[in-house]
Amino acid sequence: QSVLTQPPSASGTPGQRVTISCSGSSSNIGSNYVYWYQQLPGTAPKLLIYRNNQRPSGVPDRFSGSKSGTSTSLAISGVRSEDEADYFCAAWDDTLYGPVFGGGTKLTVL
Amino acid sequence: EVRLVQSGVEVKKPGESLRISCKGSGYSFTSYWISWVRQLPGKGLEWMGRIDPSDSYTNYSPSFQGRVTISGDKSMSTAYLHWSSLEASDTAMYYCARHGEEHYSCFDYWGQGTLLTVSS
Repeated sequence: QSVLTQPPSASGTPGQRVTISCSGSSSNIGSNYVYWYQQLPGTAPKLLIYRNNQRPSGVPDRFSGSKSGTSTSLAISGVRSEDEADYFCAAWDDTLYGPVFGGGTKLTVL
Repeated sequence: EVRLVQSGVEVKKPGESLRISCKGSGYSFTSYWISWVRQLPGKGLEWMGRIDPSDSYTNYSPSFQGRVTISGDKSMSTAYLHWSSLEASDTAMYYCARHGEEHYSCFDYWGQGTLLTVSS
């Protein structure tokens, strides 16, 4: 059972806007930065969003992150077939004294 | 370019010991914490523990405390994950990952993963 809660799956057709939610608590999302990772099949996770809404260089601007209270979401505007992957949210947890993850959301582009 | 390069695939028997490695390059190794993350087959990501390479201070998730040992060699810019007695349930992909600039942060760079299979 993951500390952060994500839907197990999401889907969209090419060009659609897709959002993936992630909820936590005051000890993690509520008091620390949120990170999002993309894991393509057979590869290591890759940083997509850091500090709630910042994109590393090289990440397309169709990916965006937002946070409100103890919840966060990842939005992909104009989803593409190459965006099919698993997406994980993460945040530092003050109780665990370490990072916690969501269970992951598998995105299917129909 | 920041890189974390992990040691290769391992196939071990229950009860055997193992140490896998993660070598950092392209940055000041002692300036960023390194964590180890487990991914069971077809499952999500679990934080195992971390090391501060500057002083080798470690802390572990309660789920992994006592089951693994994390260590480091700053002269080699390398972090290690060690098991003294493997179990079949340790079969998984293991990633090392570098924490961001803030200590109480998540990860900005990941290793390529080390696949461990434990089977008799």
